[in-house]
Amino acid sequence: GESVGLHLPTLSVQEGDNSIINCAYSNSASDYFIWYKQESGKGPQFIIDIRSNMDKRQGQRVTVLLNKTVKHLSLQIAATQPGDSAVYFCAENIAPGRSGGYQKVTFGTGTKLQVIP
Amino acid sequence: DSGVTQTPKHLITATGQRVTLRCSPRSGDLSVYWYQQSLDQGLQFLIQYYNGEERAKGNILERFSAQQFPDLHSELNLSSLELGDSALYFCASSVAPWAGTTDTQYFGPGTRLTVL
Repeated sequence: GESVGLHLPTLSVQEGDNSIINCAYSNSASDYFIWYKQESGKGPQFIIDIRSNMDKRQGQRVTVLLNKTVKHLSLQIAATQPGDSAVYFCAENIAPGRSGGYQKVTFGTGTKLQVIP
Repeated sequence: DSGVTQTPKHLITATGQRVTLRCSPRSGDLSVYWYQQSLDQGLQFLIQYYNGEERAKGNILERFSAQQFPDLHSELNLSSLELGDSALYFCASSVAPWAGTTDTQYFGPGTRLTVL
C-alpha cells in the first residue's frame, strides 16, 4: 500500500556533528514533501518543504534532499545543537488533482533525534 | 507560536464519558485537520474540514465526530471513551486544501487526553 516511512526510529548525534534523517515514500503521485519537528509536549512545527520538481532545498542549517528515482527524502541538519533534539516527521502531499479534489497528506512514523552534549 | 489554539491543554476523564476538544485555526485559514498521536507514535489523521464542510476522513472511530462552525473554529467530540483513547489530539489549520501544492499545515499545541 501507499506509505511514508522512516528508516531509523532513533538517531543519536554528537553536538556539532551533522545529522541526516531519512524517509522513504512509495506514492509516486506525491507532489510536495514537508519536514516537521516535534519537541516534547508540543505540536509539530514546520521546518522545510520541497516540491517534487526540485532535488534540493536549503534553509537555515537544514537541507532537504529529494531523490524521486528511489523515492527517498532526507533532512540534513548542520552543526547539530541540543535544541535540535526532537522527533522529526516527514510528510508527503498529494495535490488536489490527484487525490479526488483535495490535498492528501500522509505522515511518517517519525525519527527521534538525540543530541549528545 | 503557530497561531492555532487548542483547549483544554489537559483533560482527564473516566471510561464511558464524553469530551469535547476545541480548536481555533490561524486567522485566514479555512481548513482544519484533527490528528491523534498515541505515546511515541506517529500522527494519525482523523478528519478534515474546509469552510464548515467535511472534506476527508481518516482513521476516525464512529464514537468520534467533529464539526467546523461558521466562525471556522472546530470541535472534536469523543464519546464512550475507552482507555485506548488516551492520547494527544492535535488540530492543524491551513489556508485551503486545494491551494496548490504548498498548503502547509500549522499545528496547535495539542490536548492531552487521559482516560482512567
